[in-house]
Formats: sequence, C-alpha cells, structure tokens
Amino acid sequence: KQEVTQIPAALSVPEGENLVLNCSFTDSAIYNLQWFRQDPGKGLTSLLLIQSSQREQTSGRLNASLDKSSGRSTLYIAASQPGDSATYLCAVEADSWGKLQFGAGTQVVVTP
Amino acid sequence: DTAVSQTPKYLVTQMGNDKSIKCEQNLGHDTMYWYKQDSKKFLKIMFSYNNKELIINETVPNRFSPKSPDKAHLNLHINSLELGDSAVYFCASRGQWNTGELFFGEGSRLTVL
Repeated sequence: KQEVTQIPAALSVPEGENLVLNCSFTDSAIYNLQWFRQDPGKGLTSLLLIQSSQREQTSGRLNASLDKSSGRSTLYIAASQPGDSATYLCAVEADSWGKLQFGAGTQVVVTP
Repeated sequence: DTAVSQTPKYLVTQMGNDKSIKCEQNLGHDTMYWYKQDSKKFLKIMFSYNNKELIINETVPNRFSPKSPDKAHLNLHINSLELGDSAVYFCASRGQWNTGELFFGEGSRLTVL
C-alpha cells in the first residue's frame, strides 16, 4: 500500500529565504507526482506535475525534483515571499486513473 | 470565471438528513472526481466519473451516491447523514481520465450535528 509522507509538518522562514519541502513515498511504481498549494478555507491549486519519466519540473520560482528509485520528491521555492504562506501537499498517482494518494502537507509561514 | 465550482460552500445539518453537493466544471474536461478531506486534513478519493461513466468507486458507504448528468457536472448525494460524515468535500476535474493535472474546486464543508 502506497504511503506518502511530508516532512516537516510545519515550517516558518523569514522572507527571502529559499524553501525546501520534502515528500517521500513507499512504492516507487508511480505514474506521476503532483504538488499542490492549499490556502485556508480554499481548494487546492496545482503547482507542478512531474511525470514518472521526468526528473524535474520548473515554474517561475518553483522547482520540483523527482527521484523514483529513492521514493522522494522535493519542492524548492526560491526567494520566499509572505504570499507563499500556505499548506503544500504532494500527491502520487500510482496508476493512470487519477486516484491520488496525498501526504498530510507542510504548513509554511513566511514572515516579513 | 471559476473553473471548478461547488455549491454549497458550507452545509450544516442534522444527523439522519439527506443532502446534496453540486459540482460543475467549465474546463471542458472529461473526468471528474470527489475527494474527502477529513479533520486530520488527509485527502482521499471517493469517486471518479469519465464522460458520465463511473470509473472509480472507493470503499464508500452506500449512503453516498454520485450522479453525473453530463460530463460537466458531478453531484454527490448523501443519505442518512452521520456525525462521521462531517468533512470538507472537494470536487476535481481532469482533461482526460489518464493524464494531466487535477483541478480542484474550493470545497464544501459539511457539518453534521
């Protein structure tokens, strides 16, 4: 059974610092991995999708890497801003049916 | 224009009642989902429909019945509500059943008293 773990559960950094969020999964046979952002009382916003054949994806200040063999993905957010404060969730898709297995998330606070 | 919209956003009801949550997507996607986020914030899939056809049905009590009148809509009806049904229910959609990002609605918070 696939298990997805995100460490740390919470993180507080001063503005301008780079953020490093970790996601690990127990079964390396994944179809893809997706990073989301969730603001309080809001839905999930897709940040990056990494296919199983890819090693990384980039969008603006965000970069996500994927190492299937070790069961890890890392989300890097460069030069953090207070607007980056949110909960970040990673989710792995084991097959192609859209059944995502989510981690519990990392709650990020960026202080001005 | 909201891509995936759910109504109502908040729902407070008594045990034993029946309630529905509606979802609509204007992205032209073929596949729609219902996910449940419990009090511990874990998100779990409940159902998935592709072009109005049920393709995923996780171990969910029979009291939960999804209905997809067309591929832009996926509604969730819950009978005989129980305290444990209190959660945030998220609708999501995807372009095709087997590829691409999932786009989520803002959630419907259900509180059963």
